[in-house]
Amino acid sequence: EDQVTQSPEALRLQEGESSSLNCSYTVSGLRGLFWYRQDPGKGPEFLFTLYSAGEEKEKERLKATLTKKESFLHITAPKPEDSATYLCAVQARGGSARQLTFGSGTQLTVLP
Amino acid sequence: DTGVSQDPRHKITKRGQNVTFRCDPISEHNRLYWYRQTLGQGPEFLTYFQNEAQLEKSRLLSDRFSAERPKGSFSTLEIQRTEQGDSAMYLCASSSPRLPGDEQFFGPGTRLTVL
Repeated sequence: EDQVTQSPEALRLQEGESSSLNCSYTVSGLRGLFWYRQDPGKGPEFLFTLYSAGEEKEKERLKATLTKKESFLHITAPKPEDSATYLCAVQARGGSARQLTFGSGTQLTVLP
Repeated sequence: DTGVSQDPRHKITKRGQNVTFRCDPISEHNRLYWYRQTLGQGPEFLTYFQNEAQLEKSRLLSDRFSAERPKGSFSTLEIQRTEQGDSAMYLCASSSPRLPGDEQFFGPGTRLTVL
């Protein structure tokens, strides 16, 4: 069974204080690892897809990296508007299955 | 095109009533997914359609839940004889095989409260 564990559950940062969020996963063949941002009361917003170990993707203050067992979301010099819950999900390879298995998320608060 | 839309955004019902939610995917996306999310948890997969065919159903989807996508466009999710444990956010997502990573784009969700 595919599993995703995210840590920490919650993270409070001062504006400009860089940090990393962790996503550990087990999956029977990885098709893709996805990062989403979710604001309260809204649906998840797509950020990145990573496919293979060693891959990195960047968007503004965010950079996602992937190894064979985990992914990191690095946040550089965060701003209060980066406050949200960040979700990690995996999609397994094979068959007709396309569903995502999500972790419980990391709730990030950036204080001004 | 403004993305995935869901209706209603909020639904309050009494235990034992039936409810139906609608999802309109991004127009060129032929894959459609339903997820359920409870407070403090990530979304949990419920079911998946490719065009009008329902290809995957989660063990979470009891007999009280049914989903349809009759013409391969919009989809409906019906819950019969609602229970308090059904209270959650119901999310719809869509994707296209033309996208390089088959990324799923989510709608705003329908918040269900069962009293």
